[in-house]
Amino acid sequence: GESVGLHLPTLSVQEGDNSIINCAYSNSASDYFIWYKQESGKGPQFIIDIRSNMDKRQGQRVTVLLNKTVKHLSLQIAATQPGDSAVYFCAEESNAGNNRKLIWGLGTSLAVNP
Amino acid sequence: GAGVSQTPSNKVTEKGKYVELRCDPISGHTALYWYRQSLGQGPEFLIYFQGTGAADDSGLPNDRFFAVRPEGSVSTLKIQRTERGDSAVYLCASSALQGRELFFGEGSRLTVL
Repeated sequence: GESVGLHLPTLSVQEGDNSIINCAYSNSASDYFIWYKQESGKGPQFIIDIRSNMDKRQGQRVTVLLNKTVKHLSLQIAATQPGDSAVYFCAEESNAGNNRKLIWGLGTSLAVNP
Repeated sequence: GAGVSQTPSNKVTEKGKYVELRCDPISGHTALYWYRQSLGQGPEFLIYFQGTGAADDSGLPNDRFFAVRPEGSVSTLKIQRTERGDSAVYLCASSALQGRELFFGEGSRLTVL
C-alpha cells in the first residue's frame, strides 16, 4: 500500500551542528508535503511545506528538499539548538478530489546535546 | 486563547463507557480535522469537516465513532462502548478556507481501562 516512512527513528546531534532528517514516500500521486515538529505533550506544529512542482524550499534555519525521482524528502535544520529537540514528522497529501487528509510517517526523534 | 482548544486534556474511562471529546478551533477557520495518535506513531486521520458537513469521514475506524460540528465551529468527537484499543491521544486541528497549514490543539489523552 501507499506509505510514508522515515529512515531514522532517532537522531542525536551536537548543539550548533546541522541536522538532516529523511523521509521516504511511495505515493507518486502526492503533490504536497509537510514537515511537522511535535514536542512532548503538545500537538504537532507546522514547520515548512513544499509542493511537488518544487525541489527545494527554505525557511528560517530550515530547508526542505524534495527528490521526486526517488520519492525522498528531507528536512535540514541549520545550527541546531536545544529547542529543536522534538519528534519530527513528514506528511503527504494527495490531490484527490476534496480529500484533504494527510498521511503521516512514523517520526524521527531529534535530540540536541549541549 | 487564540489557538485550538481541546477538552478534556485527559480522560480515563472504563471499557464500555461513552466518551465525548470537544474541540474549539481557531476563530474563522472553516476546516476542522480529527486525528488519533498512538505512542510513537504519527497521527492517523479520522474525519475532516468543511463548515458543518463532514467532507471526509473515511478514517473513522467503525460505527462506534461519530463526530459533529453543528454550527461550523466547535466539534465533538463521540465514542460509544469504548474499548481498550481506543486509548490514544485524540488531536484536533483547524485551518483557514484556502490554507493548508494545520493548527493543532494539544490533544485529549483517552485511557480506557
